[in-house]
Amino acid sequence: ETGVTQSPTHLIKTRGQQVTLRCSSQSGHNTVSWYQQALGQGPQFIFQYYREEENGRGNFPPRFSGLQFPNYSSELNVNALELDDSALYLCASSLREGPTPTLHFGNGTRLTVT
Amino acid sequence: LAKTTQPISMDSYEGQEVNITCSHNNIATNDYITWYQQFPSQGPRFIIQGYKTKVTNEVASLFIPADRKSSTLSLPRVSLSDTAVYYCLGGGGDKIIFGKGTRLHILP
Repeated sequence: ETGVTQSPTHLIKTRGQQVTLRCSSQSGHNTVSWYQQALGQGPQFIFQYYREEENGRGNFPPRFSGLQFPNYSSELNVNALELDDSALYLCASSLREGPTPTLHFGNGTRLTVT
Repeated sequence: LAKTTQPISMDSYEGQEVNITCSHNNIATNDYITWYQQFPSQGPRFIIQGYKTKVTNEVASLFIPADRKSSTLSLPRVSLSDTAVYYCLGGGGDKIIFGKGTRLHILP
C-alpha cells in the first residue's frame, strides 16, 4: 500500500506567476483535500474533491483551483501568486465513508514566493 | 462546524503520562473526534479517533465525556520523540477545521 505522495517537495516562484502542485492519493482512497499551512499555524482547509468534483471549500479566493483525476490523483493550481501564498501545501486523501473519515497526509510542498 | 480549543503549548518530562484536553462545544451529533500529530516539515499523522467514552490503541488513549463537548488525548510514558504539535478535530465531512494545535515539548 503506497501512501500519499506530493511533488515537488520545494518550489520557488515569483509574485504574479502561476504554480501547479501535484498529489498522488493513497491506494483505494476516493477523496482528496488540500491545505495551506503557514509557519506556526495549523493547516487551513482550501478545498476537497470527491469523484472529480469540488464538494467543499474553505475561505480561499478563486485563484486557488484544483482538479481530481479518474485515478484519484489531484492538482492544486494557484494563479497570480502573492507573497502571502508562501506556505507548506498539504494534500490528504481519505475514503469517503462515515461522517468523519481519517485523513492520510503527504509531507507537503514548500512554496516560497519572492 | 465544530471549532476546537486547545492549550497552545505544554511541557513534560520523559516517562511521564501527558494529557491534552480539547474543547469542541458545538460538535455535530454524528461527528467523531480525531487527533493528529505533526512533526516539523511533515504532514499530520492520524493518532486516534473516537465517538464517546474511551478508545485505546497502541500509542494513545482518548477519553470523551458523555456530553462530548471535550476530549482528552492521553499519551502514556512519553519520550523525546513525542515532541510535536497535536491537533484535535471535531468532525470532518466537506469542510475540515484544524485549530492551532498544542505544541508538546518533552524534556529529558
